[in-house]
Amino acid sequence: DQQVKQNSPSLSVQEGRISILNCDYTNSMFDYFLWYKKYPAEGPTFLISISSIKDKNEDGRFTVFLNKSAKHLSLHIVPSQPGDSAVYFCAAPAYNFNKFYFGSGTKLNVKP
Amino acid sequence: NAGVTQTPKFQVLKTGQSMTLQCAQDMNHNSMYWYRQDPGMGLRLIYYSASEGTTDKGEVPNGYNVSRLNKREFSLRLESAAPSQTSVYFCASSTQGTLNEKLFFGSGTQLSVL
Repeated sequence: DQQVKQNSPSLSVQEGRISILNCDYTNSMFDYFLWYKKYPAEGPTFLISISSIKDKNEDGRFTVFLNKSAKHLSLHIVPSQPGDSAVYFCAAPAYNFNKFYFGSGTKLNVKP
Repeated sequence: NAGVTQTPKFQVLKTGQSMTLQCAQDMNHNSMYWYRQDPGMGLRLIYYSASEGTTDKGEVPNGYNVSRLNKREFSLRLESAAPSQTSVYFCASSTQGTLNEKLFFGSGTQLSVL
C-alpha cells in the first residue's frame, strides 16, 4: 500500500505561470516531507523540505505547503521556467529515518 | 566532490545471468539505499543499510542481495536476472536520524534484462 501518493502523472504549464504539484500521504506519523526533482538520465536531487511543525516553507521560486488535517502537501513554483521541466517526487521518511517513501512522481512540462 | 557514484551506467543482461551493481559515497554517510524506478511506480526501496555491518529488506527485495562492504560501499547483486528486473536503479545515502535529513542519489544504472 502506497503511503505517499501523487495522483497526477503529468502537468503542463505555460512559462511564467504557476505550477502546483500535489501529494497525499496516508501515514499520520509522518512529520517531515521532501520534494525531489529529477531530470532524464540523472539521479533525483533534493529541492525543498518541510517539517510538520510548519505549514509553509519557501525557497526562492519554490514553496511547499502542508495541510496536516488533510494529509496533503503541495509544491508551488512561481514563476515556472522551461528549466523546471522535470519529474517531481514527494517523499517522507519513516519515523526512525531508516527508509524514505516516495510518491510515483509528476512530470512537469513548462512550455516556452 | 563526487557524492554518490554508481557503476555501471548501462547494462544489458540475458535472463538468468548475474551481475553486481556498485555504489560508493564519499560523504561519510551512515545509511545507504538501493531504489528502483519504474514507470508509474515511483522510487521503490529494494534494500537499505542503516549502518556499516547491517542490511535490511525494503519494499521489493525479492531477487536481490546486498553487501555493505564498508562505510563507503554498498553493492546490489542480481543472482539470476529476470525481465521483471528491467529498471533504473539508484543508490542513495544519508546521515541517519538527523534533523533536515535528506537523501543524496547517484546518477543511476539503466538495466535491461532480455
